[in-house]
Order: sequence, then C-alpha cells, then structure tokens
Amino acid sequence: DAGITQSPRYKITETGRQVTLMCHQTWSHSYMFWYRQDLGHGLRLIYYSAAADITDKGEVPDGYVVSRSKTENFPLTLESATRSQTSVYFCASSIDGQIEPNYGYTFGSGTRLTVV
Amino acid sequence: GQSLEQPSEVTAVEGAIVQINCTYQTSGFYGLSWYQQHDGGAPTFLSYNALDGLEETGRFSSFLSRSDSYGYLLLQELQMKDSASYFCAVETGNTPLVFGKGTRLSVIA
Repeated sequence: DAGITQSPRYKITETGRQVTLMCHQTWSHSYMFWYRQDLGHGLRLIYYSAAADITDKGEVPDGYVVSRSKTENFPLTLESATRSQTSVYFCASSIDGQIEPNYGYTFGSGTRLTVV
Repeated sequence: GQSLEQPSEVTAVEGAIVQINCTYQTSGFYGLSWYQQHDGGAPTFLSYNALDGLEETGRFSSFLSRSDSYGYLLLQELQMKDSASYFCAVETGNTPLVFGKGTRLSVIA
C-alpha cells in the first residue's frame, strides 16, 4: 500500500553516536519535511526539501543533516547525538509547496529517539 | 516569523460541542489547517481554510476570519474517540507549515 514510512520506530542511542532516521514515501510527492515533537513545543520544523537535491533549514536545524538524492527518500542524520535531541521525529510529505485543500500534509508514524 | 496561540487543554462532556480557538501572527498568510493527533500516533489532516467562513466536514467544522487572524475548530456530538491533541497550522506560500503547540482535548462521560 502506498504511504509514507519511517524507520526505525524506536531507537535508543548513546551520546556522541551518529544515527540516521529513514523516511520513504511512495507518492512521488515533491515536498518532504522533518519535524520534531517535544512536550510544550508542539511540532517544530528541522529541515525540508522541495525536490531531489534541494533542501533547506527549518526552525531547529542545528545538529542535524539531511539529504535527498531520490524523490522518495529523505533521511535525517544526527551527526553526534545529544540528550537534547531525545524526541519524537515525524517525517511528512505534501504534493507541492501549497496545501492541497483536501489532503494537507501526510505524516509518517514517527520515530521515538532516546539519547542516553 | 510566525506565532500561533491555542489553549493547552480543553475538557468537554461526551455528546457536547467544543470549540478550540487559534490566533496567529504571520506575514503572507495563505491558510489555516487543523490536525488531530491521538496519543502515540501521527498527526492527521482534518481541515483547511483559505477563505473567511465556516467549512463543515461531518461532525467537525473549521472557521477562519482573516481580518481577525483567528480561527477555530468546532467538534460536535463529541465522542470518547475524539480525545486527542489538536493542532492549528498556518500556511504562508511555499514555506512549510508552522504548527501551534497543540490543544489536548479530553472527552469525559
């Protein structure tokens, strides 16, 4: 079934380790996004991509790296994980830069990351 | 930049009506979206308003006043399954959605 999938679902890593969160979508949506969700902060944008090989920073990009070599994949890498990066990470996609009135953004199931 | 304000918590009785308000400050406003998120789940799209007025989708309605920079989500005939967090989000052209901090709705019997 088509959709947007994230892996892993849960991850525990140690401070200083590099970790990559995967995001894959099968709709060929142009736009993909990474948000983190923390209590009291809602959803905050980390990075986004308008198309393959085009990425841009969001509100909280420090400590993260993204790439988008293929339209369907948008991995998020924590170069050297810190405890403050313990969070739930959501990947999302949309058809284009403007909201489709009947669809909005479609989110993956999320990755719950704990940095110890 | 953009900012959104919505109540952090709302409690309502099963079968009743509840309104969740959202005020925003932004430049280049295109529209206001609403998302629902159950505990442990992903946000899911509920509605989108680009023009002033009320949009109805079943038990849920969403309202927008562009002149007041204000919108609300109205949930009617509340059910226990409506207990969730609700986020408003502003769209400003080709930049990603900016989300509010969310309103946790608790439906009680």
